[in-house]
Parts: sequence; structure tokens; C-alpha cells
Amino acid sequence: QSVLTQPPSASGTPGQRVTISCSGSSSNIGGKSVNWYQLVPGTAPKLLIYGVNQRPSGVPDRFSGSKSGTSASLAISGLQSEDEADYYCATWDDSLSGWVFGGGTKLTVV
Amino acid sequence: EVQLVESGGGLVKPGGSLRLSCAASGFAFSSYTMNWVRQAPGKGLEWVSSISSSTLYIYYTDSLKGRFTISRDNAKNSLYLQMSSLRAEDTAVYYCARVTCSGGTCPLDYWGQGTLVTVSS
Repeated sequence: QSVLTQPPSASGTPGQRVTISCSGSSSNIGGKSVNWYQLVPGTAPKLLIYGVNQRPSGVPDRFSGSKSGTSASLAISGLQSEDEADYYCATWDDSLSGWVFGGGTKLTVV
Repeated sequence: EVQLVESGGGLVKPGGSLRLSCAASGFAFSSYTMNWVRQAPGKGLEWVSSISSSTLYIYYTDSLKGRFTISRDNAKNSLYLQMSSLRAEDTAVYYCARVTCSGGTCPLDYWGQGTLVTVSS
């Protein structure tokens, strides 16, 4: 059971906009920045979003993040086939003194 | 270019031990907090342990305390994870990941490709 809650799956068609939610508590999302990662099998996890909707160099602006209270969301606009991957939210948890992750959301581009 | 390369994974019997290494290059390793994160087959990411740049702060996920030990050698630009009393449920890909603090936020920004640990008789 993950500390952060994500839907197990999401899907969309090319060009569509999809959002993935991440729910936590006051000890994690409520007081910390949320990071989003993309995992493609066989490759290193990739940081997509950190801080207040910041993107590392090289991440397209089709990816955006938001946070409200103890929940956060990742939005992907202009969906592309290469966006098919697993997506994880993560943040530091003050109560646990450690990083906590969502259970992951498998995005399918149909 | 930042590179993190894990090694040391393999097949080990239940109750056995294994030492993972992570070789860092392309950045000032001694200035960064480092972490181990794992992913069991078909499961999500699970944080394992964190060690600050000077080793002053070390954290473990509660379920692993006492069995795993994180360490680093800043002179060798290397991070380590000593794992003992291994169980089948420790089977996973183990990633090392760097923490970078910028603008008040500190994400795990770079990750290695991982090393597979399989615990089985």
C-alpha cells in the first residue's frame, strides 16, 4: 500500500489531454513540493516535474504539474505515442523522514 | 554529463548478503545527498535509504532498518548499499538517485538504470 494514491491506469488518444492525480496528506504533499517521474522499461526513471510546476531542461512543455492542498496532478497535453509509460508522483514525508511514492499510473495511448 | 551506474546485483539465496555499488560521474559527488530506491517486479517504486553529502544524515525506510546499510566514499565518487539477511521480497531493481536542491525544492533529479537483485533458493 503506497503512501501516495494514484489511479492504476489512464488512457488517451493522440493529441488529447490527460491528467493523473496523486493524493497524500499534510505530512507529505500538504507541505512539500511534488515531483513526477516517467518510467519506461529498461531505462532510468526520468524527472518530469518538480517544485511549483518546474520542468528540467529537455522536458517538453506539454507536461505540467499542479497542487492543491494534499493533492497534486500531472497533465499531459498533445498526447503522443511515446508518452506511453508509467508515471509516479513522489515527495518527502516529514512524519516518515523519507521519500514516499505513489503506486504508479500506467498511461496507454490508444 | 551526469552518470550514475549501479553494479553488484545478482542471484543470492535467502539469508544471504550482497553489496551494491553506484559509480557517479559528471558532477561533484561529494556535495550531493544520494539515495537508493527499488522496484520489485510488477510493483511500484519504494524508497530504501538516503545519505547526506557528509554522511551526517542517514535515513532508512522503517521496514529495512537493521538489515540494510547505506554508505559512501566521496574520494571514489561511489555510493554503496550493504544488504544482509535477504528475503524473497527484497527481489527488485535497485536504483541510485541524486538529490539536487534548487529554489526551495529538492527532487531526486538523476537516476541510474538500476541493478537487479534476485533472492531465491
